[in-house]
Amino acid sequence: GIQVEQSPPDLILQEGANSTLRCNFSDSVNNLQWFHQNPWGQLINLFYIPSGTKQNGRLSATTVATERYSLLYISSSQTTDSGVYFCAVDMIKAAGNKLTFGGGTRVLVKP
Amino acid sequence: KAGVTQTPRYLIKTRGQQVTLSCSPISGHRSVSWYQQTPGQGLQFLFEYFSETQRNKGNFPGRFSGRQFSNSRSEMNVSTLELGDSALYLCASSLEGIESFFGQGTRLTVV
Repeated sequence: GIQVEQSPPDLILQEGANSTLRCNFSDSVNNLQWFHQNPWGQLINLFYIPSGTKQNGRLSATTVATERYSLLYISSSQTTDSGVYFCAVDMIKAAGNKLTFGGGTRVLVKP
Repeated sequence: KAGVTQTPRYLIKTRGQQVTLSCSPISGHRSVSWYQQTPGQGLQFLFEYFSETQRNKGNFPGRFSGRQFSNSRSEMNVSTLELGDSALYLCASSLEGIESFFGQGTRLTVV
């Protein structure tokens, strides 16, 4: 099946710093999503971005489908950005919805 | 619009028992998927239901089963519980082939 790798696994930031999280995937995808998992376990949707670039406030994401990677940018980080960020993909050959998740990037923003 | 609702939020069961978890999708969404999250294995796909039919299945033993009702609500059942089944179980709903939205999860502890 498709492989999804996220880097770095852990990230410690000072409040106000910028950062980039990366997601590499091994096959063509028709769906790529970024999530933030809150302390209670819920996955919060950040971006649905199978290709192109999107921005939402201090967060933005870019997916280069032809090169099989996606980047999530966090600018001017805040302590509330702490948590685990997941990238998840669905293969272009597959019918239905079957997300494969990366291992996540654990982000800690220090005040 | 109401989000994905999972019940119960927390559950403690004894080895050998069985358990049923429930998921109500976003109104209008006919695809419901289930995922298991553990510290060791990360987030793994269990199965997906669409219009009361199982459309995709992950690599889990037959003790894990599910169903979907005509109103798109879904249940998953785990029989003969093992300690290793302790996990956060997440349900997601989707409008066909597009963005998935997750519920808050059911945290199952097997003792």
